[in-house]
Amino acid sequence: QKEVEQDPGPLSVPEGAIVSLNCTYSNSAFQYFMWYRQYSRKGPELLMYTYSSGNKEDGRFTAQVDKSSKYISLFIRDSQPSDSATYLCAMTGSSNTGKLIFGQGTTLQVKP
Amino acid sequence: KAGVTQTPRYLIKTRGQQVTLSCSPISGHRSVSWYQQTPGQGLQFLFEYFSETQRNKGNFPGRFSGRQFSNSRSEMNVSTLELGDSALYLCASSPGSQGAGYEQYFGPGTRLTVT
Repeated sequence: QKEVEQDPGPLSVPEGAIVSLNCTYSNSAFQYFMWYRQYSRKGPELLMYTYSSGNKEDGRFTAQVDKSSKYISLFIRDSQPSDSATYLCAMTGSSNTGKLIFGQGTTLQVKP
Repeated sequence: KAGVTQTPRYLIKTRGQQVTLSCSPISGHRSVSWYQQTPGQGLQFLFEYFSETQRNKGNFPGRFSGRQFSNSRSEMNVSTLELGDSALYLCASSPGSQGAGYEQYFGPGTRLTVT
């Protein structure tokens, strides 16, 4: 069993929809939770990071962490065709380590 | 600020050869991490260098090695290439005096094909 599980999709939604992307994890030592966006043939781009449990909002994006359930989510409001990409969750247990554990990534397509 | 740069962008090698990939981090970043990305395994951590020292290592064979220079630039080397080493190799750098791993910025990657 992988430490981080993420539904690979693909997920297809109409423009303007609210998108919910999720990851579950098994390692209770994880403290930092990140979401990356990766366009085809590009490197991952950091969207947001969250420490411990709670919510964090940045524009149309909201990240939620529920450590009691070992479950994290990324919500995208008013989705746009330009949001079409693969979304990767990542986690680590310490602030001063570069070792991130990634989910498999969810492919999202937003149709005009 | 310029982003993370990686060279070369594309590489084709033959089984048994070795290869060296280069990464220049964002100016001021002292931590550099390397990842391998494949369709089957996703993104997997290779190793991390901070202030010229390997700080973390993933579960890859000894054929995979790296180093970091005093200017924070990093190289990774793969010896005795195998077909399964075909992948996108990504480098990421982190800011902060200790290298904030939760804030990694990735380069565009080097696409390695082994034939």
